[in-house]
This record gives sequence, structure tokens and C-alpha cells, in this order.
Amino acid sequence: DAGVIQSPRHEVTEMGQEVTLRCKLISGHNSLFWYRQTMMRGLELLIYFNNNVPIDDSGMPEDRFSAKMPNASFSTLKIQPSEPRDSAVYFCASSPVRDSAGNTIYFGEGSWLTVV
Amino acid sequence: QKEVEQNSGPLSVPEGAIASLNCTYSDRGSQSFFWYRQYSGKSPELIMSIYSNGDKEDGRFTAQLNKASQYVSLLIRDSQPSDSATYLCAVNYNQGGKLIFGQGTELSVKP
Repeated sequence: DAGVIQSPRHEVTEMGQEVTLRCKLISGHNSLFWYRQTMMRGLELLIYFNNNVPIDDSGMPEDRFSAKMPNASFSTLKIQPSEPRDSAVYFCASSPVRDSAGNTIYFGEGSWLTVV
Repeated sequence: QKEVEQNSGPLSVPEGAIASLNCTYSDRGSQSFFWYRQYSGKSPELIMSIYSNGDKEDGRFTAQLNKASQYVSLLIRDSQPSDSATYLCAVNYNQGGKLIFGQGTELSVKP
């Protein structure tokens, strides 16, 4: 089975430009997570969805960030306008239907964003 | 206090030794605990999950959980240079699936 698929893998953009990161979940998974990783702050949860519904967006840094899940298998994370401090690796992850054992999440390969 | 805390390291051990990685968490309601390994430039990959107090063994890896002390650890026996990576502790805070990660501990296994 294909894993979580993210695009683009690498992006370099100028400050002020709009950035859109894309994610395709593993088939059959119903939870979707967006994380950001930097050296200073580690792996931070930005937002997560269950069954296409945003459950917790308390990690979204500011209004410049928005995330959508238009269908059960696809999500986008948009930054508009982008700033140099947004430079990071953005990971998308998904997990299957929850069971009593708790959910394990599976990561995509990440989108490496550099804002200059 | 951070929600999930780990020693950042780096932790350096000789090949063949036991590596011990530690993690504490703040929410007593946490029920699910995970260890992920992340190689440089790669995404985190799951090593082990643990849900009950005590030890859970999988090959060279043993996870230990003590809910009363809010403490999770990972032991790696017979450490190999290929184990050199950053190890991330993750805690699931509620049934909705919010998984919070520690800063990670960098492990270096010297041949």
C-alpha cells in the first residue's frame, strides 16, 4: 500500500508569496495531522482532522496559516503570505480508525519549505 | 512545564552497549505512548507503542511505562551504529487522537 504522499517535497519561495502544501492520506485512514518541525521547536502539531472535520487547530501559529480537507483522502496546508520564519519541514501524517489500543500515526516524507 | 520532555542529548554509547532513552509527560490522563525513530533528513517512523504499565519487548527494543511517575523509557540492547538517530517520544492526550511529541534525543552509537 502507498504511504502518506506529500507534495511538493522541496519548495523555495520569496517572502510574501503564497505556499500550498498537499497531502494524500493512506487509504482507509480517517485522521489527518499536520506537523511542523524546526531545530528550535522540534515537532509541533499544527492541526488535526477526524473524518474531514478539524478537531484541534490550536497549534496553527497565526491567521496566515489555513488547512482544509475537501474530501476523505486529501488535505492542503496554505501559508499566505509566507515569511522567512515559516521555513521548516512540514509533515503530514494519517492514522486509521481508532481502536481501544490507541491510534498510531504514519508520516509522509515531508515538505521542506524555505522562505527567502 | 512542557507536555512531553526528553533529554536532548546527544547520547553517545559504544557499539554493543545498552542505550537508555527517557521521557516524562505532564498529563495524567494520557493512555497511549509511542517511540519514533528519525534519521537525519527523513520522516519519523514508529518503533514501539505501549499502553499498560510495565515492560514491552520487541527484539532489541524494550519500552517501559510507569503511569504513576508519568515516565516512559526506551532501552536498546546491543546497540548498533545503524541505531544512530533521533528518538522521539510521543504521547496521545485524548481519544480524539492528539499526539504530542517531545523534542527528541539524539543517539550516537560509536563502532
